[in-house]
Amino acid sequence: QKEVEQDPGPLSVPEGAIVSLNCTYSNSAFQYFMWYRQYSRKGPELLMYTYSSGNKEDGRFTAQVDKSSKYISLFIRDSQPSDSATYLCAMSGGSGNTPLVFGKGTRLSVIA
Amino acid sequence: DTGVSQDPRHKITKRGQNVTFRCDPISEHNRLYWYRQTLGQGPEFLTYFQNEAQLEKSRLLSDRFSAERPKGSFSTLEIQRTEQGDSAMYLCASSLGWGNYEQYFGPGTRLTVT
Repeated sequence: QKEVEQDPGPLSVPEGAIVSLNCTYSNSAFQYFMWYRQYSRKGPELLMYTYSSGNKEDGRFTAQVDKSSKYISLFIRDSQPSDSATYLCAMSGGSGNTPLVFGKGTRLSVIA
Repeated sequence: DTGVSQDPRHKITKRGQNVTFRCDPISEHNRLYWYRQTLGQGPEFLTYFQNEAQLEKSRLLSDRFSAERPKGSFSTLEIQRTEQGDSAMYLCASSLGWGNYEQYFGPGTRLTVT
């Protein structure tokens, strides 16, 4: 079993839909959780960063962490064609400056 | 603030040749990380530095790989005697450290070994 599991998709939604992206993990030491967006042949771009359990909102994006279930989510409201990309969850434990462990990424297409 | 930069962006090399990649982190970021990403996979950790000290190396980093960060500024990743399995995107990331853990990635160097 991999430390971080993420459904690779692809996921296709109509413009304006609410998108839900999820990851599960097995290492209870993980404390820091991030979501990255990666366009084709580009480097990952940091979208959201949360520490421990709880919710965090930034514009159309909401990140949720449920440490008791070892489950994290990213919600995108009012999705746009420009949101079409691969979304990677990543996490680290201990001091937080340790290397990130990534999921495989979910490929999202938002259709106009 | 210009972000993390990497050079070259693309490299095509023949099997058996040596290649070197460069990463310039965000100014004042004292942590620098190298990751490797293959098609359809998330990035995998290779090694990281705090200032000039290399703190951890993944078991993915074979003896053919070496990384340096002289003077705690830019970093280089060298692959000796390249193999076709080394073909991947090599990503560099930096973080401020000191309680600030967000890692910012560069555009990557895409390596193709023929």
